[in-house]
This record gives sequence, structure tokens and C-alpha cells, in this order.
Amino acid sequence: AQSVTQPDIHITVSEGASLELRCNYSYGATPYLFWYVQSPGQGLQLLLKYFSGDTLVQGIKGFEAEFKRSQSSFNLRKPSVHWSDAAEYFCACSTGGFKTIFGAGTRLFVKA
Amino acid sequence: DSGVTQTPKHLITATGQRVTLRCSPRSGDLSVYWYQQSLDQGLQFLIQYYNGEERAKGNILERFSAQQFPDLHSELNLSSLELGDSALYFCASSVRGLAKDTQYFGPGTRLTVL
Repeated sequence: AQSVTQPDIHITVSEGASLELRCNYSYGATPYLFWYVQSPGQGLQLLLKYFSGDTLVQGIKGFEAEFKRSQSSFNLRKPSVHWSDAAEYFCACSTGGFKTIFGAGTRLFVKA
Repeated sequence: DSGVTQTPKHLITATGQRVTLRCSPRSGDLSVYWYQQSLDQGLQFLIQYYNGEERAKGNILERFSAQQFPDLHSELNLSSLELGDSALYFCASSVRGLAKDTQYFGPGTRLTVL
């Protein structure tokens, strides 16, 4: 069955430090992969998505993600974190069956 | 602002009651999705509509139902409410409702069942 795993429930990084949020998916074929961000009291906003082609995807707010088929991973990265990046991040996976499965989320804390 | 609107923002009701949540998609989007977000279950896909027709169904309880109207707005009806139904309910919309489409999320309706 299709599933998405985000191993880290929460992560704390210092402002200006680099960030990597992990995401692993389980699906027989290459799925469509997404990263969303949710700020407190807000809905989800798409950061980036991957369908095919170049495995390094650029998104908004300076985020990027790399698709690695051999590891079934789609990790999100940012070279330098800003305090405004503190939020919850969700990895999601869609297949041809139209359902979107979300990971449990990783809450990012940024310390000054 | 995603362009997706949801009403009401907050809803407080009692067990056994019935409520209706409303969603208006972004202009031009034909597909609407409903999700439930709770602390213990995370973000769960409930149901998807495309141009008035049900397209996909997820973990939606039989006590819950939804529809999409000709003007493309959607309503999620929750009946015989239980304490465990307390959650944040999100509506999202996309242009064609395909798996690779970006979903635009509304701000959510927070339901509290007492």
C-alpha cells in the first residue's frame, strides 16, 4: 500500500544553518511527490513538486528537494534557514488513483 | 491567500448533532478535495469531486457525506457527531483533479464537538 514516512517529528536548527527534512515513500512506480508547508493557523502551501525528469527540484522560498529512486526518498533542503521558516512541513505522494497520501509532518523550530 | 474559501472558520457543537462545512474553490478549478487533520490521525484524505462527480474516496466515515454543486462549491456534511470528530477540516481545489495537479488549500474549519 502507498505510504509516506517522515521520520522526524520535530527538528530544531539555528537561524542561518542548513536544513534537511527527510521523506520516504512506498509505492511500486514513481509517484508524484510534493512538499507542503503549514504555518500555525493556516492551510497548506505548496513548496515544490516532482513528476519526472531532473531529480533536483527547486521550489519557493529557497527550498529544493532531491528525488532518489534507489532510496525511495524525496528530502527537502534549504541552505540557510530563516526564523520565518518555522512551521510544519508535509511530504505527500499522489498516484494515478487520485488519492494523495500525506506524511505525519515534521515541525521545524528555528532558534536565534 | 490561496483563493480557496471555507466557512465557517470555527464551529462548536454537541455530540449527536449535524453540521455542514462549506468550500468555494479557486476560480477556474474544477476539482475539490476534503481532508481531516487531527493530532492523532494527521492529515487524512476524505473525498474528492471533479465537476460535480465523486472521483475518489478515502477514509471517510459513513456518517460523513459531501457533494459538489453546479457552481462548483462543495459542502461536507458531518452527522451524529462524536467527540473524536473534533478536528481541522480542510478543503483544497485543483484545476483538473489529476494526481500531479497542485492542490490549493483553504484556511480550514476548526470543528469542536463537546
